[in-house]
Amino acid sequence: GDSVTQTEGQVTVSESKSLIINCTYSATSIAYPNLFWYVRYPGEGLQLLLKVITAGQKGSSRGFEATYNKETTSFHLQKASVQESDSAVYYCALSDRGYQNFYFGKGTSLTVIP
Amino acid sequence: EAAVTQSPRNKVTVTGGNVTLSCRQTNSHNYMYWYRQDTGHGLRLIHYSYGAGNLQIGDVPDGYKATRTTQEDFFLLLELASPSQTSLYFCASSDDRGHTGQLYFGEGSKLTVL
Repeated sequence: GDSVTQTEGQVTVSESKSLIINCTYSATSIAYPNLFWYVRYPGEGLQLLLKVITAGQKGSSRGFEATYNKETTSFHLQKASVQESDSAVYYCALSDRGYQNFYFGKGTSLTVIP
Repeated sequence: EAAVTQSPRNKVTVTGGNVTLSCRQTNSHNYMYWYRQDTGHGLRLIHYSYGAGNLQIGDVPDGYKATRTTQEDFFLLLELASPSQTSLYFCASSDDRGHTGQLYFGEGSKLTVL
């Protein structure tokens, strides 16, 4: 089926250190999936962090980057230097080309310690 | 700025109770969604709608009804609540016409069924 697997549970990183949250996807019924990272800050709803719809392309926002790798079916989220304000839950997601169906990972809770 | 508002934000009920979760969007979006978020699971789609009077079944619809009364309002109904429905519920909307692929989420409604 179509699904997303990401780094599970909680990740703790010291401020100014680098971050990577792994995300791999399976898109058996979707020929050209769109890939997303959403973020949920405490007390808020999910909001789009970045999206990439073309294999080989990189998306970036707020210092975060993710590259759509079709060969490894991966879309890892990276940041070179995290800040305390980045503490949130991050969700990897995919959709079909027409944005009709979305599939979300389980979420990764990031805590950045000063 | 797109806006999705959910109410109530917190609800406690007993087994067998009747619960209605409300969602209103002021984005003029056609698509609206209800998801549930549980520990160890990604967001799971309960029901969605692409316009007033329309209802589509999602991936985990059992025990839930939904109704889209207007373009703005989408309700999730639990007529005989069970403890297994204790969860964090998110409503979202999206604009299919622009094909941006962005879901706009509400802040979530935490439901506890005792």
